[in-house]
Amino acid sequence: EAEVAQSPRYKITEKSQAVAFWCDPISGHATLYWYRQILGQGPELLVQFQDESVVDDSQLPKDRFSAERLKGVDSTLKIQPAELGDSAMYLCASKRGSPDTQYFGPGTRLTVL
Amino acid sequence: DQQVKQNSPSLSVQEGRISILNCDYTNSMFDYFLWYKKYPAEGPTFLISISSIKDKNEDGRFTVFLNKSAKHLSLHIVPSQPGDSAVYFCAAMYNNNDMRFGAGTRLTVKP
Repeated sequence: EAEVAQSPRYKITEKSQAVAFWCDPISGHATLYWYRQILGQGPELLVQFQDESVVDDSQLPKDRFSAERLKGVDSTLKIQPAELGDSAMYLCASKRGSPDTQYFGPGTRLTVL
Repeated sequence: DQQVKQNSPSLSVQEGRISILNCDYTNSMFDYFLWYKKYPAEGPTFLISISSIKDKNEDGRFTVFLNKSAKHLSLHIVPSQPGDSAVYFCAAMYNNNDMRFGAGTRLTVKP
């Protein structure tokens, strides 16, 4: 069964450092999402891609966060510089098209010290 | 702005009994609702969904009920099994975009 892949699974960094997360969606899925889940809360959308184009990044803190999906396949989410409040689970999800269900990867647990 | 609310952070039920997880929403534009299940150290897994044109959808032991007038949906699990122990997220979306999640309810099914 195809799955969304994410790496690393865990990342510990010090504040002011740069971090990057990688996501490989299910093959053929044109839509890709990055979510942030803070402990005790539900996932919150950071950015949505349709192929290589950003559809929605209204909730992405653009002063420190960036996301790209250059070839419309895998994607990278970067934080620079990381802050203590960025500690969270970062989830990637993908779907084939509309309508379809979003499928989530296992997430990257980020801890900022 | 929490448009999707799960007011019960946790729920504990006995194996074999019914689990009822509740979810309320405020945005009347939502037209599709989903439930996801999440185990520790894993991403959320899709469980069941319902369109706003329906009031019930059933899949095996899982049934979702939608009450549009009350802006309320619920997930029923019958019978509950220990393997159902997880965090359950309610989610809502409109126009097939911008899925909003509740904070989750941790279900514990005791043997």
